[in-house]
This record gives sequence, structure tokens and C-alpha cells, in this order.
Amino acid sequence: GESVGLHLPTLSVQEGDNSIINCAYSNSASDYFIWYKQESGKGPQFIIDIRSNMDKRQGQRVTVLLNKTVKHLSLQIAATQPGDSAVYFCAEFYNQGGKLIFGQGTELSVKP
Amino acid sequence: KAGVTQTPRYLIKTRGQQVTLSCSPISGHRSVSWYQQTPGQGLQFLFEYFSETQRNKGNFPGRFSGRQFSNSRSEMNVSTLELGDSALYLCASKREGSYGYTFGSGTRLTVV
Repeated sequence: GESVGLHLPTLSVQEGDNSIINCAYSNSASDYFIWYKQESGKGPQFIIDIRSNMDKRQGQRVTVLLNKTVKHLSLQIAATQPGDSAVYFCAEFYNQGGKLIFGQGTELSVKP
Repeated sequence: KAGVTQTPRYLIKTRGQQVTLSCSPISGHRSVSWYQQTPGQGLQFLFEYFSETQRNKGNFPGRFSGRQFSNSRSEMNVSTLELGDSALYLCASKREGSYGYTFGSGTRLTVV
């Protein structure tokens, strides 16, 4: 079936620590993956993306890792800040349906 | 530049009524997709419009419909509302040939 799921529904970290959010996907044919951040009352906001021909991509304080062998995606946030508190979704672009398939989301809580 | 604009932000409707939601995409974005977000089902794809034509459709009943105008603005309609239709409805737009979806803040629909 089509599904993208997250291993951990909630994650609580201390300010300044690194955060890792994981995601499993099922469509080995998908060639594009995205991480979104959703704050309360807002729509999903793009964080970082990666194509299937890559295994790592870095942005500002964020890194996405893709392991196609085990169909696993992760988002690493360095020096997590209170402003990073939100729900994080991984999404897979499903070419055959022309749509994004979202994971269930992980709520990240950053303690000051 | 202006983002994706969705109106209204909040709606309360009674079972059996119908509702129309509106989405204005980013200028230059001709693809508009709609998603339903609920606590139980997460983010689910409703449909995508491009050049005034529905290009892809998710697994929702026929009560859910949409359309796109020549200026790329899109509307979605839900007829014969059910309590289970209560959700945040999100619109996302992108340029053709890219994967860069930008989401609006959504319309929160409550059916009573």
C-alpha cells in the first residue's frame, strides 16, 4: 500500500540538544522526499527535501538522511531551539498519483 | 511575494449543508492541490488541479469536488456535510515541473 509512517509520535528534547526524527516509507519508486514543519494554526512549512539519488542533504541546522535500502528517512536538527517546537511531517512524492503522501507526524517539544 | 491564501479561515456548518472553500495560489503557480487534515487520518490528498482540469484524485467520496479557474484560483466544495468532514482543509500550490509545494494556512471546517 501507500504509506509513510513515523516511528516516534512525540519527542521531547532540551534546548541546545540535537533532535532526530525518523520516518519509514513504503514506495520504493518514489524519487522525492520532503520534511515539513507545522506550527499550531498554520499550514505545513517546507524545511528540506532530498531526491532519491542522494543519501544526505544539509541545510541550515537541518540534515536529511535517506536510506533507500531500508526505506528510511530521518531529519536531524542541530542545536534545537524553542522555536523548533512543532509537528514535523515527512512526505513522499508519489509520481503515479501526482501527490504527496504524508507520515503521521512527530510532535517535537523543546524544553528551555 | 504573497503566499497561498485560503478563505475563510474558519467555518461552522450544520450536517447536510454544503460548503465552498477558496484558494489563491502563489502567482505563477498553476498546480493547486487540496488536502484534508484530521487528528485520526493525518494529511490526506483530495485532488489536484492544473490548467482548470482535475489531474489527480484521492480516495474521497463524490461529495468532495473542486474546480480551478483560468487565473489558477481554486475552490473545493463539500456537499451534504457529515460530522466526519470536520477537518483542516489545506491548499498547496507549485510550479509545474517542480516539487516545491507551498501550503496555505488552511480553512478549519467544523460540522455540527
